[in-house]
Amino acid sequence: DQQVKQNSPSLSVQEGRISILNCDYTNSMFDYFLWYKKYPAEGPTFLISISSIKDKNEDGRFTVFLNKSAKHLSLHIVPSQPGDSAVYFCAASDYGGATNKLIFGTGTLLAVQP
Amino acid sequence: NAGVMQNPRHLVRRRGQEARLRCSPMKGHSHVYWYRQLPEEGLKFMVYLQKENIIDESGMPKERFSAEFPKEGPSILRIQQVVRGDSAAYFCASSRYRDLETQYFGPGTRLLVL
Repeated sequence: DQQVKQNSPSLSVQEGRISILNCDYTNSMFDYFLWYKKYPAEGPTFLISISSIKDKNEDGRFTVFLNKSAKHLSLHIVPSQPGDSAVYFCAASDYGGATNKLIFGTGTLLAVQP
Repeated sequence: NAGVMQNPRHLVRRRGQEARLRCSPMKGHSHVYWYRQLPEEGLKFMVYLQKENIIDESGMPKERFSAEFPKEGPSILRIQQVVRGDSAAYFCASSRYRDLETQYFGPGTRLLVL
């Protein structure tokens, strides 16, 4: 039962263009969403988050959009840079539950071509 | 400002041996989470601990796995009588508080069971 889904296993984008990574979730109790970036043999690095009371959050080149009615969120990276090439994981948590455990998607491998 | 520390980074064990993975959270963080990433999969929650307490172990296999976070010292994830299927990357994350808080990850321990 995959509660957080990233349906695109990979994405290739030209340097300078926009990268859009998508994530869908099924559990309407999720109230906090995060994006992590991961390089091989390293731990996930936090990028940006959004709570369910917002529909957009920006931090520099990164913007996350949340559409609660569609249970969909997306990460926009603009402009994309070669150093952005990595696996991107979206994660969701259930605030108000006993824990703050994160449910991760399976990841999208982003390749930014110079 | 040291991040989350994990050791060892790599661990090789033969079937039937014990594996001990250690995690030191970021300074000021009292919440620790363990996740496991099997090959070609996303990260899966295992256990959530606060100092001296296990809060949620719903993701832990019922047998052979245990975790602790003592008053002094790092959090320990212990796997007894390892099997080949335990081969994975084990990540620890920490947060300052529980709710709506970003979890920061360590570099992981890569366990290989021969």
